[in-house]
Amino acid sequence: DAGITQSPRHKVTETGTPVTLRCHQTENHRYMYWYRQDPGHGLRLIHYSYGVKDTDKGEVSDGYSVSRSKTEDFLLTLESATSSQTSVYFCAIKSGGTEAFFGQGTRLTVV
Amino acid sequence: DAKTTQPTSMDCAEGRAANLPCNHSTISGNEYVYWYRQIHSQGPQYIIHGLKNNETNEMASLIITEDRKSSTLILPHATLRDTAVYYCIVDRGSTLGRLYFGRGTQLTVWP
Repeated sequence: DAGITQSPRHKVTETGTPVTLRCHQTENHRYMYWYRQDPGHGLRLIHYSYGVKDTDKGEVSDGYSVSRSKTEDFLLTLESATSSQTSVYFCAIKSGGTEAFFGQGTRLTVV
Repeated sequence: DAKTTQPTSMDCAEGRAANLPCNHSTISGNEYVYWYRQIHSQGPQYIIHGLKNNETNEMASLIITEDRKSSTLILPHATLRDTAVYYCIVDRGSTLGRLYFGRGTQLTVWP
């Protein structure tokens, strides 16, 4: 398996609280991505990064922010969690010209 | 960024070939066609990719039309373990770019 780890794997949080999900890689890949997956919607891109401190929005970025202060870590933050952000979140890593590798996912429940 | 269109679902008898179509009519010359699959709730996994020529590996074959506007993923002898969601995406490769996965095709292999 590619060296990509998501943490936590499961989390239950209350509405209005901040939440940070972490994606850690040991592959030194340039690109990192955050997706959410919901029934009937497939995988939707939230944010992605193309280098340290270089990030951009995806399809469903509202309510989310990201940071990448070093190559190996890409953080996804929900500033004030809402029930609509209950989902499974996947991180992916990639180098130019290669396939993407995905983490095992984080199941987030906002109650 | 080019987007893809796939049927929502397909089914196939075990042992038969599964042919999964994908339309990418707006693909540009430097974009590759990639296929991934997602089994149950795991992270998606890479299957195969190509630019112009047909490709084959131990998992599948990829047939790309001459005008590159569509492609077909072929699983030559489908098994029950091939039941999964299959995603077709286009990827520019070396330049920064979003990876849009969409909803994919749910392939069900029946005994």
